[in-house]
Amino acid sequence: EAGVAQSPRYKIIEKRQSVAFWCNPISGHATLYWYQQILGQGPKLLIQFQNNGVVDDSQLPKDRFSAERLKGVDSTLKIQPAKLEDSAVYLCASSPGLAGYNEQFFGPGTRLTVL
Amino acid sequence: DQQVKQNSPSLSVQEGRISILNCDYTNSMFDYFLWYKKYPAEGPTFLISISSIKDKNEDGRFTVFLNKSAKHLSLHIVPSQPGDSAVYFCAAGPGTYKYIFGTGTRLKVLA
Repeated sequence: EAGVAQSPRYKIIEKRQSVAFWCNPISGHATLYWYQQILGQGPKLLIQFQNNGVVDDSQLPKDRFSAERLKGVDSTLKIQPAKLEDSAVYLCASSPGLAGYNEQFFGPGTRLTVL
Repeated sequence: DQQVKQNSPSLSVQEGRISILNCDYTNSMFDYFLWYKKYPAEGPTFLISISSIKDKNEDGRFTVFLNKSAKHLSLHIVPSQPGDSAVYFCAAGPGTYKYIFGTGTRLKVLA
């Protein structure tokens, strides 16, 4: 079974530039998550989708971050414009259903450096 | 305010001995707990979980203990192997999707 795919793996941009990350979850997984992991911290949930609907985006900085999951499969996360404090690893995860008693399967992450 | 805390940033253990990783939480509504292992340049992988109706869950060399009154859980690895060297995250949640992750403990198993 193929795992969660993410691209790119690494990205370096200047502050105020835009960047987009892509995630393809495990086939058949209805729920998709985007996490931000700043160095030395644990992953922090940014947004969760159930199929193509948003379940929770309470911690997404909506003035600069946006995410979509068209057709309920793959997803993109965009930052526009980027700030220095956005430097982090962005992790995508998926799980079969909405219920919390499911493990989440993580992709390898995209390491973003904002200069 | 950190709701899930892993107070030991790092731990070194000799191969074959027991590794004990600790995690404390503050929210009494949390009733489901997970441990993830993370190797460099990879995403976290699920290791073991426990719900609040249990105080122990075992899977091979890995055992998680939950002390609800103390709001404390621990992961025991016996015997520790060099391949167990990784960062371990605990995560806690109220039985829904929204898990809060700790800051991680880096385990080094010395051969």
